[in-house]
Amino acid sequence: KAGVTQTPRYLIKTRGQQVTLSCSPISGHRSVSWYQQTPGQGLQFLFEYFSETQRNKGNFPGRFSGRQFSNSRSEMNVSTLELGDSALYLCASTTGSLGYTFGSGTRLTVV
Amino acid sequence: EDKVVQSPLSLVVHEGDTVTLNCSYEVTNFRSLLWYKQEKKAPTFLFMLTSSGIEKKSGRLSSILDKKELFSILNITATQTGDSAIYLCALPPGSNYKLTFGKGTLLTVNP
Repeated sequence: KAGVTQTPRYLIKTRGQQVTLSCSPISGHRSVSWYQQTPGQGLQFLFEYFSETQRNKGNFPGRFSGRQFSNSRSEMNVSTLELGDSALYLCASTTGSLGYTFGSGTRLTVV
Repeated sequence: EDKVVQSPLSLVVHEGDTVTLNCSYEVTNFRSLLWYKQEKKAPTFLFMLTSSGIEKKSGRLSSILDKKELFSILNITATQTGDSAIYLCALPPGSNYKLTFGKGTLLTVNP
């Protein structure tokens, strides 16, 4: 079966712009979570969605937002981009057990 | 709050060497401990450890958990260049729906 699909794979944006990243989970997986990975901080939790409801949000500013659609696909948005937002953004889906499957991520570079 | 600390943060070895990666953790309600390998983008699952003293093995990789001392180790014997990756240790979600990761160990295996 298809894995977790993240689009786009790479993005280059200018400071102050906004960006939207997409994640399509494995079919049947209703939980989608997002993580930001940087060399200095490792993987940091952004948010988790289940059945279109955000159940938890990590310690990130309000510029980071997300949503989940009825087909379980999820998007995250970052507004007013800063240089420090440059990172690999990973999403993971699960049925709710411990079996998390990660996508290949979106590499965001802010210049 | 759950916490995971990995050491070393980076390691360079030669093919054929044996390496030991360390993971210590703090958790309110222990359920399990997870190891992932991240070669390029998507972390892939290696092991789930739930019981102390029981070694999990997969080929040249093995891992063991010590619940009393709150740590786990990941051993890789006869390393190959294909073992070069970031190895991540994580605590699974509790009621907060988030995986808690260590910063990872970047392993480089030189020919």
